[in-house]
Amino acid sequence: GIQVEQSPPDLILQEGANSTLRCNFSDSVNNLQWFHQNPWGQLINLFYIPSGTKQNGRLSATTVATERYSLLYISSSQTTDSGVYFCAATTLRGSGGSNYKLTFGKGTLLTVNP
Amino acid sequence: SAVISQKPSRDICQRGTSLTIQCQVDSQVTMMFWYRQQPGQSLTLIATANQGSEATYESGFVIDKFPISRPNLTFSTLTVSNMSPEDSSIYLCSVLNTGELFFGEGSRLTVL
Repeated sequence: GIQVEQSPPDLILQEGANSTLRCNFSDSVNNLQWFHQNPWGQLINLFYIPSGTKQNGRLSATTVATERYSLLYISSSQTTDSGVYFCAATTLRGSGGSNYKLTFGKGTLLTVNP
Repeated sequence: SAVISQKPSRDICQRGTSLTIQCQVDSQVTMMFWYRQQPGQSLTLIATANQGSEATYESGFVIDKFPISRPNLTFSTLTVSNMSPEDSSIYLCSVLNTGELFFGEGSRLTVL
């Protein structure tokens, strides 16, 4: 199956700083999503982005499918941005044409200090 | 998107007992899944809950330990059977909607 690797594993920021989180994947993808898991364990959808660039407020994401990576940008970070950021992907290869099984990376633990 | 409700949100269980987690979706969905997140770890797919037929389990997960029901297109249950402390995890229900996966709030189980 597809391998998903995230970096860095941990990141500590001061409030107001910008950051970039990276997700590398081992195969072509038909689905790539970014999630934020808050301290209570809830997974919040950030982006559905198998290719291209999207922006939502202070967050944006870019997936370069041909080079098999995706980036999540957080600008002007706030303490409420703290938590774990997960990248997850699926690939059609070897799935008979359909595959909705998301493979998750290990996540990036972000701590934003006031 | 989809609104997904899970019950219970958290529970403390005794070793050897079983617990059933419920997942209710506010609209009919074809694909429903159950994931497990062990402490400090990432998410792992347990099984795909198939409506009207047996669930499809991933490697390392078996029906006797994690029986799943899916009686209709809006509801599913996951039972964690004969629990041990190693089963202490967050269990999450998820659904596929317009190509994107959405998750419930999760059920945090602690087994003593």
